Amino acid sequence: DTGVSQNPRHKITKRGQNVTFRCDPISEHNRLYWYRQTLGQGPEFLTYFQNEAQLEKSRLLSDRFSAERPKGSFSTLEIQRTEQGDSAMYLCASRLGQGDGYTFGSGTRLTVV
Amino acid sequence: AQRVTQPEKLLSVFKGAPVELKCNYSYSGSPELFWYVQYSRQRLQLLLRHISRESIKGFTADLNKGETSFHLKKPFAQEEDSAMYYCALRSYNNNDMRFGAGTRLTVKP
Repeated sequence: DTGVSQNPRHKITKRGQNVTFRCDPISEHNRLYWYRQTLGQGPEFLTYFQNEAQLEKSRLLSDRFSAERPKGSFSTLEIQRTEQGDSAMYLCASRLGQGDGYTFGSGTRLTVV
Repeated sequence: AQRVTQPEKLLSVFKGAPVELKCNYSYSGSPELFWYVQYSRQRLQLLLRHISRESIKGFTADLNKGETSFHLKKPFAQEEDSAMYYCALRSYNNNDMRFGAGTRLTVKP
């Protein structure tokens, strides 16, 4: 287990298409997070899972966004009908305990053209 | 509402000089504060957290609740410290970690 893994690393898509990203957290981490980062900004929280339960969603997560973690292991983030404003780096992070910091993946850079 | 402010987008110092990256926060409860670092072409990684009261790579940060600050300090900067630094806050019962906009530190030879 070499840490949090995200695929793909880069995704270029045409406006209106659907995209799906995958995150594989550290295996013993039951908490998983999705963040979005745009140029010049820090990461912004999107959603949080504890095991397979999605416990929190940001107002940033519009109806076009959906995230799942069906077996409490890997997670997927889907964006439907992509818009140019969705272009960003999508980061996944996981952690084990309440006081722990997050371990981040390398991110998926989405470009909507 | 939780908010993290890093007033400097860019900070440049010479090697061997002291460095302080500022972080101010707004939160009415008991926060958990973190510093994350992102070196060139690497992923975001945890540098230190206030509950550990530790020194990592020569960096320290003290939580000042009176001034609502969590500034990151190092007495003698090294070139390899050049990176993007993010301050982050999480409330005790909340899983929404808020990040500042980041400060890009450049240490010149």
